[in-house]
Amino acid sequence: EAGVTQSPTHLIKTRGQQATLRCSPISGHTSVYWYQQALGLGLQFLLWYDEGEERNRGNFPPRFSGRQFPNYSSELNVNALELEDSALYLCASSLSGRGTQETQYFGPGTRLLVL
Amino acid sequence: AQSVTQLGSHVSVSEGALVLLRCNYSSSVPPYLFWYVQYPNQGLQLLLKYTSAATLVKGINGFEAEFKKSETSFHLTKPSAHMSDAAEYFCAVSDNTNAGKSTFGDGTTLTVKP
Repeated sequence: EAGVTQSPTHLIKTRGQQATLRCSPISGHTSVYWYQQALGLGLQFLLWYDEGEERNRGNFPPRFSGRQFPNYSSELNVNALELEDSALYLCASSLSGRGTQETQYFGPGTRLLVL
Repeated sequence: AQSVTQLGSHVSVSEGALVLLRCNYSSSVPPYLFWYVQYPNQGLQLLLKYTSAATLVKGINGFEAEFKKSETSFHLTKPSAHMSDAAEYFCAVSDNTNAGKSTFGDGTTLTVKP
């Protein structure tokens, strides 16, 4: 069974540009979560999607947005990139929308570098 | 609000020695607690989780953790460290007040000396 996959593995952008990160959940999983792992800031919860809807978001500005497609894959978009957006972005999936106690399975991440 | 504190950003043990990684949590309602491991350039892998069943939770790779409500702790242990255990370990908490959100500790890097 394939795990959570993310693309691209690395992304280099300049300040002010937009970045699009993609995530494919484990087959049969309907929930997708996004986290930011920045140096010195630890893992921060970004967004949770389930059944195509945004269910919860962390304390991030609106320029962080995303969506979930009918096949449950997901995109994270970061507009107007700032230097401090440089981080490893992790996607996770879980079986259902019960959310809170579900085991989350993580992908390898996309490393975003903003110059 | 939920929070997690991992005591000790770096822990070093000798191969074969006991591993103890400390985690204290704060939650206004009964928590769900998780330990994850992250190897270099990889995502997080679940080691074990507590969801209000048995307080002693056994996970993969010989790790276990004990939920102690009175101490608000969920420390991770392994009786005998292997070189392959060297990685970064994260404790996380979630609860029903903020659906879908897990709050992670800052992580503890475990070094295993030969």
